[in-house]
Amino acid sequence: DADVTQTPRNRITKTGKRIMLECSQTKGHDRMYWYRQDPGLGLRLIYYSFDVKDINKGEISDGYSVSRQAQAKFSLSLESAIPNQTALYFCATSGVEGTDTQYFGPGTRLTVL
Amino acid sequence: QKEVEQNSGPLSVPEGAIASLNCTYSDRGSQSFFWYRQYSGKSPELIMSIYSNGDKEDGRFTAQLNKASQYVSLLIRDSQPSDSATYLCAVKPMFSGGYNKLIFGAGTRLAVHP
Repeated sequence: DADVTQTPRNRITKTGKRIMLECSQTKGHDRMYWYRQDPGLGLRLIYYSFDVKDINKGEISDGYSVSRQAQAKFSLSLESAIPNQTALYFCATSGVEGTDTQYFGPGTRLTVL
Repeated sequence: QKEVEQNSGPLSVPEGAIASLNCTYSDRGSQSFFWYRQYSGKSPELIMSIYSNGDKEDGRFTAQLNKASQYVSLLIRDSQPSDSATYLCAVKPMFSGGYNKLIFGAGTRLAVHP
């Protein structure tokens, strides 16, 4: 079973709709991240979280919100989707201090029409 | 200046050759350095991490770090068509603190042709 899972894997929606992307992990990691990836721009950090009480904005948080429901679950919401939010979205996790590698989920391909 | 810079490629090498991928970074206090491989439409997967100046070898892969020059590279020996992918360089900057935040380069696309 995958350590980091994301649902849905693909989603097509319309402008103005609310969308939630979900991420779950069984790695026991406390740090979780949401990234978006656009061609030629690499991975850009949207939000990150140390634990359920700690949520932080990344470099491109406008238009997005997150919820850390439990240590293992981290959800990303687009309150009112717009076409330039069409991208590949990845969730990642990282463990305790001293082991700073990030591990990625399979990604969600989101298309906003 | 971008914080982590990579040549976008494509870098085209023949099968069996050595592929050399390069990355420069701007934060002199950066502590940890990573190479990820990403196949088209898939998620990044870790190939190597390196923390100290010098070389680190793992199978056909060698990561090289030079903190004075703010330069990290990845060598792939005996390149195979299955190595064709985009390679992402990632750096943990000094300001990351306990969050383990990484800054990613845009990636170099490698094409290994038979």
